[in-house]
Amino acid sequence: SQQGEEDPQALSIQEGENATMNCSYKTSINNLQWYRQNSGRGLVHLILIRSNEREKHSGRLRVTLDTSKKSSSLLITASRAADTASYFCATDATGFQKLVFGTGTRLLVSP
Amino acid sequence: DGGITQSPKYLFRKEGQNVTLSCEQNLNHDAMYWYRQDPGQGLRLIYYSQIVNDFQKGDIAEGYSVSREKKESFPLTVTSAQKNPTAFYLCASSIDWGRSNQPQHFGDGTRLSIL
Repeated sequence: SQQGEEDPQALSIQEGENATMNCSYKTSINNLQWYRQNSGRGLVHLILIRSNEREKHSGRLRVTLDTSKKSSSLLITASRAADTASYFCATDATGFQKLVFGTGTRLLVSP
Repeated sequence: DGGITQSPKYLFRKEGQNVTLSCEQNLNHDAMYWYRQDPGQGLRLIYYSQIVNDFQKGDIAEGYSVSREKKESFPLTVTSAQKNPTAFYLCASSIDWGRSNQPQHFGDGTRLSIL
């Protein structure tokens, strides 16, 4: 069963705009990760946030985690056409590497 | 450069045929994973291996088999018992099974279709 649900399913923006994707999950977690997948390729790890952290930054990426609402958001600032991809959240509830992936958000950034 | 190599990129299966997907890593990672990705869905875990000569069933293991005879290699066989094998298959690895605060590294996938 899939624990994570991303929202929206698809997002279309212009270059330079910010993109926000949300992830909701069902059970308590140890950490939450965000991955990017370009069309026809494998997943690339973007950022990991632990359950005791509320916000984390990496370059143009900002991730927040609200464990009381069981939700996380990924913000990409000043988006570029190269950010066009699908974005997945993945949660770990076991303390081991058994990740559960969400259904993904498809982001399209137009020049 | 270290990474994960999956082959072939595209694979076609005939009725009643078993096919094997290759996954090789040179990251010196102990743990390896196979996922299945269907359109509009996330990844589902088929099998995982914590260490060489060990493997465990994931959430959707029926119709699949694996082996882990070498640390670098974790091939997946899609057997004729898997009635709906058309999907995108992804192999991944991580430093070890016990450290959840580590990323997984992915190959570029094999797309399997039915002839």
